[in-house]
Formats: sequence, C-alpha cells, structure tokens
Amino acid sequence: DQQVKQNSPSLSVQEGRISILNCDYTNSMFDYFLWYKKYPAEGPTFLISISSIKDKNEDGRFTVFLNKSAKHLSLHIVPSQPGDSAVYFCAASAYYQGGSEKLVFGKGTKLTVNP
Amino acid sequence: DGGITQSPKYLFRKEGQNVTLSCEQNLNHDAMYWYRQDPGQGLRLIYYSQIVNDFQKGDIAEGYSVSREKKESFPLTVTSAQKNPTAFYLCASSIGTAPSTDTQYFGPGTRLTVL
Repeated sequence: DQQVKQNSPSLSVQEGRISILNCDYTNSMFDYFLWYKKYPAEGPTFLISISSIKDKNEDGRFTVFLNKSAKHLSLHIVPSQPGDSAVYFCAASAYYQGGSEKLVFGKGTKLTVNP
Repeated sequence: DGGITQSPKYLFRKEGQNVTLSCEQNLNHDAMYWYRQDPGQGLRLIYYSQIVNDFQKGDIAEGYSVSREKKESFPLTVTSAQKNPTAFYLCASSIGTAPSTDTQYFGPGTRLTVL
C-alpha cells in the first residue's frame, strides 16, 4: 500500500512562473514531511521540510504548505528557474519497529522548467 | 571535504552472482541506510543501521545482506536470492535516525544491472 502519493508523474512550467508539486498521504500518524530534489544519476538532496504542527514553511523561493485535515502537502517554487528541473520526492516520517523513525517516499514528480 | 561516496557508479553482474556495493561516509554520522529506486518508483528502504555493529531490516530486505563493522562504512551485498536485483541503489547517512532533526544525506548511487 502506498502511504505517500504523488499523483502527477510530471509537470512542465515556464521560467519565472510558479511550480506547484502536490503530495497526498494516508497515514495520520505521519508527523514530519520533507521534500527532496534529485537530478539524474545523482542522489537526492534535502530541500525543505515541515512539521505537522505547522501549516507553512518557507525557504527562499521554496514554500511547503501542509493541510492536515486533507492529508495533503504541496511544494511551491516561485519563480521557477531552469535549474529547478529535477525529480522531486515527497517523504513522510513514520515510526518503525524498535522505535526508530524511517522515511516513506512518494514516487516522485519530474519537474521541467522551460526557458 | 565531507560526504558520502558510493562505488562503483555502474556495475554489471551475471545472474546468480553475489555482488557487494560500497558506501563510505566521512561525516561522522551514526546512522546509515540503503535504499533501492526502480523506474517510476519512490525510494524503498532495504536496511538501516543506527550504530556500529547493529543493523535492522527495512521494507525489502529479502535477498540482501549488510554489515557495519566501521562507523564510516556500510556495504550492501546483493545475493543471488534477490529475484530482481537490477535497480539504482542509494546509500544515505544521518547523525541520528529522527528525520525531524537528522537530515539524511545521500550518496550519488550505484546502478546495478544483472545480465
């Protein structure tokens, strides 16, 4: 069962416009959410995160919004730049056996920003 | 220059052969992880280690084995029991295992192709 869903496999936007990447989750026990960015043939890099006690977190051009009642979060990139073209993974933190936490990843959304 | 290294970048093996993927970090992180990524899929946790000489199975541990004899090293062996080993393998490390406070840093990955 897929607990973290990114239903759009790809998104294409014009440079300078807003990019909105969406993520839905099913497990109400998730209490921390992260976005990772991944270029081809490289490992993911951490982008931004949000705790379940907040509904918004901003870092420069990147803002993550969390709607707990809808179990939905979104990543906004404003303005979008060609260098933002990458695959974006949404991840949620869950407790695992033994009390440790693990990340549950979505399938990713490939963002293409056209010049 | 701190970071995580994975070698080799590309690896080819014949079916039925065991193969070991290397992961080294000089970040002085206690926790290390192995993930697998398949095309159009999110990252799935294979094994993780919270501390030297200790490791736990992730969601898809069958057909894999690990060791953690040194803090900086966490090699992954893909055994012949793994039914579909061709994938992109990512190693990560973090200070601790709480994603809310301990960001996971990823290596560049190893693409394993079993012929």
